[in-house]
Amino acid sequence: DIQMTQSPPSLSASLGDKVTITCQASQNINKYIAWYQQKPGKAPRQLIRYTSTLVSGTPSRFSGSGSGRDYSFSISNVESEDIASYYCLQYDNLPWTFGGGTKLELK
Amino acid sequence: QVQLKETGPGLVQPTQTLSITCTVSGFSLTSYYMQWVRQTPGKGLEWMGFIRSGGSTEYNSEFKSRLSISRDTSKNQVFLKMNSLKTEDTGVYYCARDSSLHYWGQGVMVTVSS
Repeated sequence: DIQMTQSPPSLSASLGDKVTITCQASQNINKYIAWYQQKPGKAPRQLIRYTSTLVSGTPSRFSGSGSGRDYSFSISNVESEDIASYYCLQYDNLPWTFGGGTKLELK
Repeated sequence: QVQLKETGPGLVQPTQTLSITCTVSGFSLTSYYMQWVRQTPGKGLEWMGFIRSGGSTEYNSEFKSRLSISRDTSKNQVFLKMNSLKTEDTGVYYCARDSSLHYWGQGVMVTVSS
């Protein structure tokens, strides 16, 4: 199984900051990575798929990049509505696997 | 619009079988992958398995021996059945659509307890 090492586990940011979350796969995942936002009591919401494709409705302050084993997800100009947990998912090889998550909090 | 909704028992006793139904609308099950994901306190988000648009299935080997995914296209429903439940199976179970899990249901909380 492909392991997805997501870091950091938690992140503290001020409004307007840029934050970056990384996921490293245990092997090449050919850009098949998606990023999700989850708020308490809610289902995850897909923000980005295939490394950098923003899903319809995702604000442009969210972005993704990477290749091979290393991927990143960024939020520029953090807003209060962005306070949530974020997860990566690799869907290149079965079984699909998730990162451990990053909890974004306000400083 | 695309909608997915899980329904399930809420409370299941250890060793018993869990059955959850995902009812969808706004699309055809014969056109999309349908997946099951769970979120537990112990392991976070875990992909469980999917049923392809053509009806074939794939399972996470973590669950393979006790998990079954099926569907009824006439009723727009996808089913998860998992037997031999343990307390560690307590969590929220989600159905989701697409290979990249684009659309998700609201989830159903399942507690395994006697």
